Amino acid sequence: AQSVTQPDIHITVSEGASLELRCNYSYGATPYLFWYVQSPGQGLQLLLKYFSGDTLVQGIKGFEAEFKRSQSSFNLRKPSVHWSDAAEYFCAAEATGFQKLVFGTGTRLLVSP
Amino acid sequence: DTEVTQTPKHLVMGMTNKKSLKCEQHMGHRAMYWYKQKAKKPPELMFVYSYEKLSINESVPSRFSPECPNSSLLNLHLHALQPEDSALYLCASSLVFADIQYFGAGTRLSVL
Repeated sequence: AQSVTQPDIHITVSEGASLELRCNYSYGATPYLFWYVQSPGQGLQLLLKYFSGDTLVQGIKGFEAEFKRSQSSFNLRKPSVHWSDAAEYFCAAEATGFQKLVFGTGTRLLVSP
Repeated sequence: DTEVTQTPKHLVMGMTNKKSLKCEQHMGHRAMYWYKQKAKKPPELMFVYSYEKLSINESVPSRFSPECPNSSLLNLHLHALQPEDSALYLCASSLVFADIQYFGAGTRLSVL
């Protein structure tokens, strides 16, 4: 079955430190891949997307993600975390022909002073 | 502009009430979605409309009734809800079916 896995339920990072959030997918073929961020009580904001081409994708707010086909991964990174980045992060995938966005369970990011 | 507007932001209703949630977008998107999100969980797809026609119904109970009166507007009619239906209801839209989805801020629903 198609699935998206985010192995870390929550992560705590010091402000100014680097961040990596993990995402793995299980699909027969490479799906479209997305990262969304959700602040408490808010909707989801798209950070970045991967459809094809360059495996390093740049997004908004200084985030980037790297697609690795061999590892079925699409990890999100940021070189220096700000307190305002504290939120829930969802990785999602959509297989062509299935037309349904499948979300991972989310990773809650906590930023310590 | 990638704005999807949902109203109301908060809604409290009794189990015998009838209410509606509204979602609006003016981006020319032709696909619109309803999701339900419980606390600390990812969004769960409920319905998808493509070109104002219902394309996907994820086996949602009939007490939830979607409506797409035109390409910019999506409603979710609620009737005889249960307390377990309390959740954040998110609307999203995309240019066409299976394209990037843009989400609204959601309606926080509490059923008493």
